[in-house]
Amino acid sequence: ETGVTQTPRHLVMGMTNKKSLKCEQHLGHNAMYWYKQSAKKPLELMFVYSLEERVENNSVPSRFSPECPNSSHLFLHLHTLQPEDSALYLCASSQDLDAYNEQFFGPGTRLTVL
Amino acid sequence: QKEVEQNSGPLSVPEGAIASLNCTYSDRVSQSFFWYRQYSGKSPELIMSIYSNGDKEDGRFTAQLNKASQYVSLLIRDSQPSDSATYLCAVNEAGGSYIPTFGRGTSLIVHP
Repeated sequence: ETGVTQTPRHLVMGMTNKKSLKCEQHLGHNAMYWYKQSAKKPLELMFVYSLEERVENNSVPSRFSPECPNSSHLFLHLHTLQPEDSALYLCASSQDLDAYNEQFFGPGTRLTVL
Repeated sequence: QKEVEQNSGPLSVPEGAIASLNCTYSDRVSQSFFWYRQYSGKSPELIMSIYSNGDKEDGRFTAQLNKASQYVSLLIRDSQPSDSATYLCAVNEAGGSYIPTFGRGTSLIVHP
């Protein structure tokens, strides 16, 4: 198991629901990331935070809203999602935003939107 | 826009053989290169990182980097069925956003 945890591990929601994904890292890292992984597609970067400040927003629809209250926690708030948003959502962290830092991934949340 | 290309496979090799996974990238200023392994239903985990031209060996794994050809590869010697997974190549650049670009991954199947 890595030092990055995610809850819930599985989530089924309707298009009108509001839910939140939670990520916590126990590694003392300063950078955290949200990725979307759909079948047969590369990892899609969604958001990047460094020292609790958002440094990247990769043209993600507004129905996805990130929150980083401190360097250990990252949330992804979901509302009025579409069926095509069904995917594996991965959280990752790295020591810093540095080209030579590896990323540590959480186990992911498998999201199904009905 | 950086691009990282991998053959999606599947690459099928017999147990005990050498598996060769390849990755090409478009950005000449790329400086750091990572190979992640992802088992089905699991999250990616780092296997190797390489920053300089040449070979880097770690157990049964060897990463090879050729910056002039913009090419990085991962060799797995004495392949085992437990090596069956998707292998993701990630590329980062010094002096840029420091956010890696991932390829779509190559599926490897090692059959007994």
